[in-house]
Amino acid sequence: AQSVTQLDSQVPVFEEAPVELRCNYSSSVSVYLFWYVQYPNQGLQLLLKYLSGSTLVKGINGFEAEFNKSQTSFHLRKPSVHISDTAEYFCAVSDTGGFKTIFGAGTRLFVKA
Amino acid sequence: KAGVTQTPRYLIKTRGQQVTLSCSPISGHRSVSWYQQTPGQGLQFLFEYFSETQRNKGNFPGRFSGRQFSNSRSEMNVSTLELGDSALYLCASSFGTSGGFTDTQYFGPGTRLTVL
Repeated sequence: AQSVTQLDSQVPVFEEAPVELRCNYSSSVSVYLFWYVQYPNQGLQLLLKYLSGSTLVKGINGFEAEFNKSQTSFHLRKPSVHISDTAEYFCAVSDTGGFKTIFGAGTRLFVKA
Repeated sequence: KAGVTQTPRYLIKTRGQQVTLSCSPISGHRSVSWYQQTPGQGLQFLFEYFSETQRNKGNFPGRFSGRQFSNSRSEMNVSTLELGDSALYLCASSFGTSGGFTDTQYFGPGTRLTVL
């Protein structure tokens, strides 16, 4: 069985500062990894995904994430955040053979002016 | 192209009633997945349909059921509603043919169900 742990429930940060949202997963099989963003009263939007290949994945809105197999981590980073990045961010994992995605509990990013 | 649409957006029901939620996927997508989102449990996978067949299922009681039509539209039904069923129900569509979730899931805005 797979599981996803997002280590921080809330991350406050000042505008233009860098941010890292942490995600660890556990799985006995190969996995695909995802980061989604959810703005208030909206559905989820895919930021980026890791399927295979380069461990550094670049996504939309200037976000990137690095897959670390030995540490079973997939942390999300942005070098300079904007007020508009305030949202909830979800890390997710699915096994490569199935069609079931497991989500983490979410990290609420709050960008302050 | 049009995104994933869900109807209704808001719904209020009382305990013991049943409810049906609808999801229209993006044109050309054949896979529809349903998720329940609550503050306490987060996002939980309910089930996934592909070409009118349930292909995968989460750990929810049998009161939660779904179906998919030949045009890929999907409905989710919850019978004998309980207070704990109050949640945002999200559906997501994808092409669903590449094996696993390698193709991107596109989410709808959700249906917020309140059970009184």
